[in-house]
Amino acid sequence: QVLLVESGGGVVQPGGSLRLSCETSGFTFRDYSFHWIRQVPGKGLEWLAHVHSNGLDKYYAGSVKGRVTVSKDNSKNTLLLHMESLTPEDTAVYFCARGGGFRYYESWGRGTLVTVSS
Amino acid sequence: QSLLTQPPSVSAAPGQKVTISCSGTSSNIGSQSVSWYQHLPGTAPRLVIFDDHNRPSEIPDRFSGSKSGTSATLAITGLQTGDEADYYCATWDYSLNGGLFGGGTRLTVL
Repeated sequence: QVLLVESGGGVVQPGGSLRLSCETSGFTFRDYSFHWIRQVPGKGLEWLAHVHSNGLDKYYAGSVKGRVTVSKDNSKNTLLLHMESLTPEDTAVYFCARGGGFRYYESWGRGTLVTVSS
Repeated sequence: QSLLTQPPSVSAAPGQKVTISCSGTSSNIGSQSVSWYQHLPGTAPRLVIFDDHNRPSEIPDRFSGSKSGTSATLAITGLQTGDEADYYCATWDYSLNGGLFGGGTRLTVL
């Protein structure tokens, strides 16, 4: 059974940083690419970042480029997202998804809520 | 405002058919494959269509996808109350070099 579980969310002060994790199981982690996607409360889904299965090729949305780093830890079957210089506009539920390459988001976690507030 | 345009809402009666449109441009839908997602708040979104018209094995054949030019369509026949959810189209944009989602469409089964 394919499983993705996000963690690391919580309340962060404006200007702060956070690291989100996505622990996976049920498949060979190193063989897959992954994405991070978020949903601002009451809004739609927004794609944030993609990391290729090789862990080297990475793409970011313009709205977060320069503030976000995505990485794969093959030893722990875990996807990571580091975000810095957070603003209240970054308040959202953050989802990780296993990719069908660039083409689609095959399996998703249930998300972790990040609240940026003083 | 999303670069992929979806109607904010659609509705139909149980047993009926509904279609949800997704309009883009030549740099996204016009040249890249489209996928569709069903999302109930508080849950993990679920892939229902990939590569324009393919269904994951667990998705019933009541769900179908099509694409023509720079627009894509999700059709759901034999509507059930359990189909009530938000539906999103998605694709890759080669000029942005990034993923895109439509703004989402709320389906109400009356």
